[in-house]
Amino acid sequence: NAGVTQTPKFRVLKTGQSMTLLCAQDMNHEYMYWYRQDPGMGLRLIHYSVGEGTTAKGEVPDGYNVSRLKKQNFLLGLESAAPSQTSVYFCASSTGLAREQYFGPGTRLTVT
Amino acid sequence: KQEVTQIPAALSVPEGENLVLNCSFTDSAIYNLQWFRQDPGKGLTSLLLIQSSQREQTSGRLNASLDKSSGRSTLYIAASQPGDSATYLCAAVPNTGNQFYFGTGTSLTVIP
Repeated sequence: NAGVTQTPKFRVLKTGQSMTLLCAQDMNHEYMYWYRQDPGMGLRLIHYSVGEGTTAKGEVPDGYNVSRLKKQNFLLGLESAAPSQTSVYFCASSTGLAREQYFGPGTRLTVT
Repeated sequence: KQEVTQIPAALSVPEGENLVLNCSFTDSAIYNLQWFRQDPGKGLTSLLLIQSSQREQTSGRLNASLDKSSGRSTLYIAASQPGDSATYLCAAVPNTGNQFYFGTGTSLTVIP
C-alpha cells in the first residue's frame, strides 16, 4: 500500500515550457486535490476532483489544468510555465470533502 | 474567505516540556479543523481532525481543542521529544466551502 505517490520529485523548466505532474493513489479515494506551497503563503488549493471524470477550480487555478481520467490518477498540467509557478506541489486524496486528507511527498518545481 | 493564522512562526523548547501551538481562524462557521505535521522536504501527515460538533480530540501525547466562538484551536503536545521537531500546520474547512484553508505553520524544535 503505497498511499499517495507523485512523479516527478524534482523538475526544472524554462519559461514557456510545458509539463505534467502525476499523482496516483491506491486507497480507492473519490476525492483528489492539487496544492501549491510557497514560503509565507501556506498551502493553497489549485484544483480538485470529486470523482473520476470530474474536476473543479480551487483558490489559485490560473495557469494550470487538470484531468482525472482514472479514479486513481490526478494529473496537473502547466501549458506555459512562468517563474511565478516555482513552488512545491502537493497532491492529496480523501474519502470525501472535508474528510481526513492523505498527502503525497511533493514535487519541487523551478521555472527559470 | 477564511483566513487561518498560526503564531508563533517558530518555537524552540527543551525536551520534556509540555507545549501549546495556536491556530486562529476568522470565520467561526467551520465544518471541521485538521492538524498536520510536516517534516523537512516531506509531505503532510494528518495528526488530528476535529469536527465542528466536538471540543477536542486526543491521540497519544497530542490533544487538539476547538473553540469556534473564539475562532481558535490549540494543539497540546505533552512531554515533548526531539522526534516531535517538525512544522505543524492547521487547516479549517468552512461550512460553505469545499476545501481546506491552511495556516502557514509553526516550526517546532525540541532540544535534547
